[in-house]
Amino acid sequence: GENVEQHPSTLSVQEGDSAVIKCTYSDSASNYFPWYKQELGKGPQLIIDIRSNVGEKKDQRIAVTLNKTAKHFSLHITETQPEDSAVYFCAASFTGGGNKLTFGTGTQLKVEL
Amino acid sequence: EPEVTQTPSHQVTQMGQEVILRCVPISNHLYFYWYRQILGQKVEFLVSFYNNEISEKSEIFDDQFSVERPDGSNFTLKIRSTKLEDSAMYFCASSLTSGAGDTQYFGPGTRLTVL
Repeated sequence: GENVEQHPSTLSVQEGDSAVIKCTYSDSASNYFPWYKQELGKGPQLIIDIRSNVGEKKDQRIAVTLNKTAKHFSLHITETQPEDSAVYFCAASFTGGGNKLTFGTGTQLKVEL
Repeated sequence: EPEVTQTPSHQVTQMGQEVILRCVPISNHLYFYWYRQILGQKVEFLVSFYNNEISEKSEIFDDQFSVERPDGSNFTLKIRSTKLEDSAMYFCASSLTSGAGDTQYFGPGTRLTVL
């Protein structure tokens, strides 16, 4: 089955700096890669996603890149703000897999003032 | 904005007892899911459900687990005889379709503590 690795497990940046979180997946059939943000005591919230027919997608300060050949994808947050502090999870799924999401292990992002 | 709701927010039970976790998915969604997250670990898929049937289940979802949509709005997860290792956060999610790429919306979770 699919396996998703995520790095780093913790990331501390200064406010205004950029943050990058990386994930790799094992199943070449995976074709959908969402990123979720989880704040303390809450459920995961989708922040951005990318499909395998696209190499990059951007939404304001957040961007995701996908390298299908290398089977890795990354989340980029620019101009970080304290409210970006949370746990971020990458995930993967594939058509025919019933939309089952396989999650990475999570990255605790801390944005310091 | 429509959202997935879950009750209770926290459930404490004794080992061997049955628990039912409840979810109200987004009203026009057709696909429903349960995931769990053991403290400090990744979110893990348990089961997906469509048209009153299980679509897919993981190896975690053994005979002790069952799901049901008892009416037009609720979606439940039952654990028949809880074990200590069932202690986790349980998340319900729903999506409009099952195609890869259809956003799954997650509820706030139920924290299950088995003593």
